[in-house]
Amino acid sequence: DTGVSQNPRHKITKRGQNVTFRCDPISEHNRLYWYRQTLGQGPEFLTYFQNEAQLEKSRLLSDRFSAERPKGSFSTLEIQRTEQGDSAMYLCASSLALGLPGTDTQYFGPGTRLTVL
Amino acid sequence: AQSVTQLGSHVSVSEGALVLLRCNYSSSVPPYLFWYVQYPNQGLQLLLKYTSAATLVKGINGFEAEFKKSETSFHLTKPSAHMSDAAEYFCAVSVLDPSGNTPLVFGKGTRLSVIA
Repeated sequence: DTGVSQNPRHKITKRGQNVTFRCDPISEHNRLYWYRQTLGQGPEFLTYFQNEAQLEKSRLLSDRFSAERPKGSFSTLEIQRTEQGDSAMYLCASSLALGLPGTDTQYFGPGTRLTVL
Repeated sequence: AQSVTQLGSHVSVSEGALVLLRCNYSSSVPPYLFWYVQYPNQGLQLLLKYTSAATLVKGINGFEAEFKKSETSFHLTKPSAHMSDAAEYFCAVSVLDPSGNTPLVFGKGTRLSVIA
């Protein structure tokens, strides 16, 4: 079990540029979540996948944001035309959801810190 | 919709003293409750979780939490604080839907400082 990994760990970009983050979940986990965390706040849910299907998107996820999980393994989160308000820590988590009580514990990666200048 | 309120954005205790971090939840269906810890520049690590079994839940690093339905609370405690406990602590709630648990809803966090 190598845990959830995220790349890059840090990204600095200029306003208007596109950025893409990658998340590699724990290998047998079927669910993958994206959260955003700003300074002094708890993580806020963005979207999640069950295998390759994107099941839910938060209203926080504007049209500039898109996430994919093409083969039900790793996932990418892309932000187009970045704005300064997008500066945050983007966290990925994975879990093994069996539809049984107590089975869905989310394990978090270290996050990607985005700074938009 | 579920929600979590963490009372106190910053708690300071002396080394060896009791740690008490407060969490109240709101949910119209039976909740699943979690405490996570976040050290600087690191991801979130699960401390413990309540999944409708025992109401007193023991976690890692000597932490425990008690689910009290009548008070809609899930406070985190540790009998004796250690310097290494200094971190940000998040309470979170989810509920069970037909295909698994819903995404976590987090509180705003409580920063714990431990004074030598």
